Amino acid sequence: TQLLEQSPQFLSIQEGENLTVYCNSSSVFSSLQWYRQEPGEGPVLLVTVVTGGEVKKLKRLTFQFGDARKDSSLHITAAQPGDTGLYLCASSRYSTLTFGKGTMLLVSP
Amino acid sequence: NAGVTQTPKFQVLKTGQSMTLQCAQDMNHEYMSWYRQDPGMGLRLIHYSVGAGITDQGEVPNGYNVSRSTTEDFPLRLLSAAPSQTSVYFCASSYSGQGPWGYGYTFGSGTRLTVV
Repeated sequence: TQLLEQSPQFLSIQEGENLTVYCNSSSVFSSLQWYRQEPGEGPVLLVTVVTGGEVKKLKRLTFQFGDARKDSSLHITAAQPGDTGLYLCASSRYSTLTFGKGTMLLVSP
Repeated sequence: NAGVTQTPKFQVLKTGQSMTLQCAQDMNHEYMSWYRQDPGMGLRLIHYSVGAGITDQGEVPNGYNVSRSTTEDFPLRLLSAAPSQTSVYFCASSYSGQGPWGYGYTFGSGTRLTVV
């Protein structure tokens, strides 16, 4: 089973700040998915990255996939309270997902 | 379009009782999975299915049974509940195909289970 390490575990920032969270593995990802989970809800897919070096943008969120496909980052510009939640990366291989433990982000007004 | 529907949302069981967590999806997804989420442990795969009549074990299958008689439904059965099964359970579904890269999963809103 592929092990995914996410850092930091917890991040508390003020509205308007920028932040980056990381997802790393010792082995190559087939593909990587990022999810956001709000309290009391299930995870919601943000993006899937497949190709090494790939960059995808979703409004203020920028996702990067490492050239060697063993790491990924999520950068949020000018964070807002609505960005608060648990950010999860997951390795996708055929019919299953393996998740990291997540980064809990708290954005205060 | 309801997506993935899980029932019940909350449940309290006594040790040794059995119950079934229901999961239904209306997106004609081939893949369905059950995860449990525990503090400090993240989401762990219990069982999964690649289509009607086909199921397989995930990382933490002990104490749970599944079956998939239709594309839409994928119930999770707790045979004899134990306090260690206190957790939040999520059902998820996805299209098949796209080789090893997979499509994104749609998750239900979860069942919070307490075993006393």
